[in-house]
Amino acid sequence: EVQLVESGGGLIQPGGSLRLSCAASGFNVRSNYMSWVRQAPGKGLEWVSVIYSGGGTYYADSVKVRFTISRDNSKNTLYLQMNSLRADDTAVYYCARGVGFGAFYFDYWGQGSLVTVSS
Amino acid sequence: QSALTQPASVSGSPGQSITVPCTGTASDVGDYNFVSWYQQHPDKGPKLIIYDVSKRPSGVSYRFSGSKSGNTASLTISGLQADDEADYYCSSYRSSSAYVVFGGGTKLTVL
Repeated sequence: EVQLVESGGGLIQPGGSLRLSCAASGFNVRSNYMSWVRQAPGKGLEWVSVIYSGGGTYYADSVKVRFTISRDNSKNTLYLQMNSLRADDTAVYYCARGVGFGAFYFDYWGQGSLVTVSS
Repeated sequence: QSALTQPASVSGSPGQSITVPCTGTASDVGDYNFVSWYQQHPDKGPKLIIYDVSKRPSGVSYRFSGSKSGNTASLTISGLQADDEADYYCSSYRSSSAYVVFGGGTKLTVL
């Protein structure tokens, strides 16, 4: 059974750093395109970042330079390192598996991890 | 402001059909068939219900269907059921960002 479980969220002050983890089971993260998608409170979904099966990465302009996506193949885990956090980064962060041509669709999602940026 | 435009809410009675529009531009919905739809129940992760404009993943009810005309994609739910009450999001590939953008979401209320 495919499962994605996020962890690492919490309350952090503006300017701080946080690392989210997404433990996968039922498939190999290294063979798939894996993304992070976030949802601010009461708002819509926003794609954040993707790591391709070949290891390449890509970011939304809103997080470029500040966030880094990575994976540990031995742990079958996806990560999102978030630096220089701002209030508008407050959101539930989901990891999701991309499928289809270009992996533009997400067929499995985690339950989400809440990140709150506030002083 | 979201990249794709959806109505904030729609409603319908059990058994009826409803349609949720999703308006984009020639850089996304209008020029690519990489349109998808997601259903999200409260405090849950989204669920893929439509991809490639009109295809349904295995296990998704035939009552969900998708279409596209010009820069607007649409999700139609027929035979409304109480469990269809949820938020629905459209998504599309966008050439200018080279990845996906989402709509702001539409809350479906089953009366």
